[in-house]
Formats: sequence, C-alpha cells, structure tokens
Amino acid sequence: GAVVSQHPSWVICKSGTSVKIECRSLDFQATTMFWYRQFPKQSLMLMATSNEGSKATYEQGVEKDKFLINHASLTLSTLTVTSAHPEDSSFYICSARALRTGGVNEQFFGPGTRLTVL
Amino acid sequence: GDSVTQMEGPVTLSEEAFLTINCTYTATGYPSLFWYVQYPGEGLQLLLKATKADDKGSNKGFEATYRKETTSFHLEKGSVQVSDSAVYFCALSSNSGYSTLTFGKGTMLLVSP
Repeated sequence: GAVVSQHPSWVICKSGTSVKIECRSLDFQATTMFWYRQFPKQSLMLMATSNEGSKATYEQGVEKDKFLINHASLTLSTLTVTSAHPEDSSFYICSARALRTGGVNEQFFGPGTRLTVL
Repeated sequence: GDSVTQMEGPVTLSEEAFLTINCTYTATGYPSLFWYVQYPGEGLQLLLKATKADDKGSNKGFEATYRKETTSFHLEKGSVQVSDSAVYFCALSSNSGYSTLTFGKGTMLLVSP
C-alpha cells in the first residue's frame, strides 16, 4: 500500500512553454501533498505544501506564479511550471501524506519527473 | 530551526564491507527520524524509521538506532552489496500533524564488486 505515482516520468519542452506534472496517491487519500525540487547531486528542496481544497503554501524563494500547484482532490495534485526556462530544468518529486490521528508523520514519495527545458 | 547533518560522500566500499553513514540532528522536542534511499534516476524510498529514543529501525540488513543523548541516527549495514549503491538521505520530522520533513544533504554510497 501507500503508492504514489507521477506523470510524466520525464518531459522535454521548449523554452516559454508550460508543463504540467501530476502526482497521484493510488491507494490512500492524501490530505497533504508536497512538491520538492532536486538538483544534481543535491538534497531535496521543499517547494510547497498543499492541502486538499486550499491554496498551497510556498517556501521562501519559490515563485508561486511560476510554479502553480493545484490539489483539487484527495488523490491528485498537479504542479504546472509556467513559461519554463532552461534554469527550471530539474528533477521534481512529489510526496503525499495521509493524516493519521496519533500516527507518525510519514510521507510517501513519487518516482519523480525529470524536466528538461531546451 | 530543525536541521540534519550527514557525512559527506561519496562513500566507496568493496562488496561485503561494513557500512556506517553518520547522521546527527538538531530539533526541538522529540522528532521522528528516517532514512531514505534514492537509486539512480528514481524517487525516494523509505528505508527505515524510528519514532522515539532508543528505537531501532531496520530493513534489508540496514539498521539505525535513535540516540537522543547524542542526537544521532547513524545508518549501518554489516555487509554491503553492489545493489546497495545509491544515495542515502537522513531526515526528521516533528510529530505534530502538519510538520514537514527536513532532509540532510544525502550521502552517495558506491559499492564495487
């Protein structure tokens, strides 16, 4: 159980276009989803936290108008990179968490999406 | 704020060697501690976890013990395999319902035959 999928697994786009990445929790309801960005040989940088039905909370330095996050249902969150540029090329990873009363704060990670902007 | 410090890599070992990857943390209260593994080109997988002091997490031959007195959660394995080559991340979260994970920078492990 606790499987998270991402689609697409990789995408190549032209500079100036927008790209949408989907994150789905397949066998549980995710009250909270997280979006991370990972540069080569570096750790994960949290970009934003989204709770179902409400606006995402962005980390300092992350442009909310460039990285649009929608969490419209308990099993789906989307990240749209608008007007992408080569510097947006990165590995984007989502994670999902089901809120359990008294439970451990465990996140389940998707396999990641490799974005390359030409 | 919370922080996690891991030993820098890469760690290069021969197959069947003993592995230790050090991890120390700074946090208020009593966080939960995690080790995640990332294989090349993939996302993170939870390797093991511990939720309170003196707990030992274990999985696939890997172990880590939650040491509150030394604020550490070192990862160990008695005999590594080539297939263990990956990047290992230590992480913590507070046990409140809405906290986020704080990751270390990751340690790359390279195991040669």
